[in-house]
Amino acid sequence: DGGITQSPKYLFRKEGQNVTLSCEQNLNHDAMYWYRQDPGQGLRLIYYSQIVNDFQKGDIAEGYSVSREKKESFPLTVTSAQKNPTAFYLCASSMREGGGTDTQYFGPGTRLTVL
Amino acid sequence: RKEVEQDPGPFNVPEGATVAFNCTYSNSASQSFFWYRQDCRKEPKLLMSVYSSGNEDGRFTAQLNRASQYISLLIRDSKLSDSATYLCVVPPGGGGQGNLIFGKGTKLSVKP
Repeated sequence: DGGITQSPKYLFRKEGQNVTLSCEQNLNHDAMYWYRQDPGQGLRLIYYSQIVNDFQKGDIAEGYSVSREKKESFPLTVTSAQKNPTAFYLCASSMREGGGTDTQYFGPGTRLTVL
Repeated sequence: RKEVEQDPGPFNVPEGATVAFNCTYSNSASQSFFWYRQDCRKEPKLLMSVYSSGNEDGRFTAQLNRASQYISLLIRDSKLSDSATYLCVVPPGGGGQGNLIFGKGTKLSVKP
């Protein structure tokens, strides 16, 4: 089955701790993205990557870090520097960078709660 | 004007009704558009792409009005299962390095 997987589905962390969210895709897509969604809000782009070993900041990158060592994987680390980390985190992928007509496909998301 | 604007709703309609949502966008160079559907606490899923004047898929019709810079989504014969939030998605114009811009969504509730 082709698709995008994210783990874990729910994550709780204590304030001040770093946490890493997993995102894997077997669609052979070049581009991958991380979004954050808060209640009643639209999706906001955190980071994106068009190719292995390259990534770009999105609109709200502060307090987050990513890596793209493999085409299939794009993990997101939420650091203690992120002031309001509680949110729904969505990973997506597309055949190439989504500036044109490429459709983005989403994973099921990780709901992070900071206690 | 905000980049992408949608009426948040909710639109409360009876089963079988026809309902339409509009979405306005500010970048006149945008070439293609998307409608995604998002169920409560789930990920967005692609509903339709709109590349030219419009697109139809069963009970769903998406139309594009470039002159007025809006896209619309029409749902005919609404089903209970259509209840969801519908996100309008607009790419940046001119083939640039920017990324998709998501609207905040319009909530639809179909009642029996």
